[in-house]
Amino acid sequence: SQQGEEDPQALSIQEGENATMNCSYKTSINNLQWYRQNSGRGLVHLILIRSNEREKHSGRLRVTLDTSKKSSSLLITASRAADTASYFCATALRLNTGFQKLVFGTGTRLLVSP
Amino acid sequence: DAGVIQSPRHEVTEMGQEVTLRCKPISGHNSLFWYRQTMMRGLELLIYFNNNVPIDDSGMPEDRFSAKMPNASFSTLKIQPSEPRDSAVYFCASSSRQTNTEAFFGQGTRLTVV
Repeated sequence: SQQGEEDPQALSIQEGENATMNCSYKTSINNLQWYRQNSGRGLVHLILIRSNEREKHSGRLRVTLDTSKKSSSLLITASRAADTASYFCATALRLNTGFQKLVFGTGTRLLVSP
Repeated sequence: DAGVIQSPRHEVTEMGQEVTLRCKPISGHNSLFWYRQTMMRGLELLIYFNNNVPIDDSGMPEDRFSAKMPNASFSTLKIQPSEPRDSAVYFCASSSRQTNTEAFFGQGTRLTVV
C-alpha cells in the first residue's frame, strides 16, 4: 500500500513559472525525501528533510514539511524544460524491529513547455 | 564509484520460466532495497536488506518471488515461475545509513513476461 500520495498527479506549466507539488502521508516519519525520475531512468535523490525541520532549500528547490498535517511540498522555481520528469516523495517508516524502510508515493508528472 | 549496477537492463521471457535479476550496490553501502514499478501500482518496496540480512520482506508478492544477498556486493531477485503480471521495471537501490540518507538507484531492469 502507498504511504504517500502526491498532488497533483500531473502538472503542465511554461518555462519560467514555478511548480508546486504536494505530498501527504499517513504515519509518523523520521524524514521525508523527494526524488526525480526521468522517463525510462532510475530515481535520483533531490532533497531530504528531517521531521524536526520545517523548510529546506537546495538551489531552485524549496521543500516544506508540516508534521501536524502530515504533508510536504516541493517548489521548483523558475522552471526549465529540463525539469520535465516525475517527482516522488518518500517517507522513512519505522518498523517494529527499529529499522526504517523507504516507501514512495504515487508521483507527480511535471511537464515544462518551452 | 559506478553507482548501483543492475543486470540485465531488459529481459523478455516466457510465462513459466525462471527469471533472475541482479544488483551490485555501491561499495560501502549497507542497505539494499528492491522495488517494482508499474503504471497501476506505482513504486512498491519488495524487500529491504541491512548488512546482508533481510529486514522487511512484507512487500514480496508471493512465494514465487525470492531475494538473496550472499555478500555486501551482490543481490539477486528471482521469480519462479514467472507470470505476465510480473511484467514491470524492477529497481535496486542502496544507501549508506538505512533511510537516514539518500538512496541511490540503479537504472532498473525492464521485465516482460509473455
